Amino acid sequence: QVQLQQSGPGLVKPSQTLSLTCAISGDSVSSSSAAWNWIRQSPSRGLEWLGRTYYRSKWYNDYEVSVKSRVTINPDTSKNQFSLQMNSVTPEDTAVYYCTRGAGAIDSWGQGTLVTVSS
Amino acid sequence: EIVMTQSPATLSVSPGERATLSCRASQSVSSDLAWYQQKPGQAPRLLIYGASTRATGIPARFSGSGSGTEFTLTISSLQSEDFAVYYCQQYNNWPPGFGGGTKVEIK
Repeated sequence: QVQLQQSGPGLVKPSQTLSLTCAISGDSVSSSSAAWNWIRQSPSRGLEWLGRTYYRSKWYNDYEVSVKSRVTINPDTSKNQFSLQMNSVTPEDTAVYYCTRGAGAIDSWGQGTLVTVSS
Repeated sequence: EIVMTQSPATLSVSPGERATLSCRASQSVSSDLAWYQQKPGQAPRLLIYGASTRATGIPARFSGSGSGTEFTLTISSLQSEDFAVYYCQQYNNWPPGFGGGTKVEIK
């Protein structure tokens, strides 16, 4: 059974970079059938898909249009994990961030990280 | 971008009764539709994928139906642990999108 363990700071200052990591056990980030996603949830925006990374003979990334210019999702095959970086954060980026597995439906979720953007 | 709309926003049901939740897509998503349950302080849990296939370990009282733009999640006899928020999600087009949720509360 796959498990996803998130790590990263819960408080980020405005204009700085949000960085989260998701360690995978029970599966491989290089799996040719999985996709690895970051999703966030806030009262104002609901559940919002930020982007994904996946391997199909080569690495691919897809990002949601509204955050595409600020978000990078990278796999780390040496550590079997993947990461989220979001630049130039504002208070509107305050949310619970989840790393997840799923190429369509999401069958595994990390524990969630509440990230607050505040000075 | 496909917009997912769920109704009602809140559903008040007595334990043992049937609950019917609706989800509508702004354009066809075929059967690429999933349902999730979320309890306070927890991540969502996958209930249904492919519009009607129960995920591993999900009780038979949960059933999904529909295709195209209209979908339904039915809970045949509500148990105390079923009171939660339910979300639908399409994965036919990028970006995958979630509905706004239906809260099932105790009547």
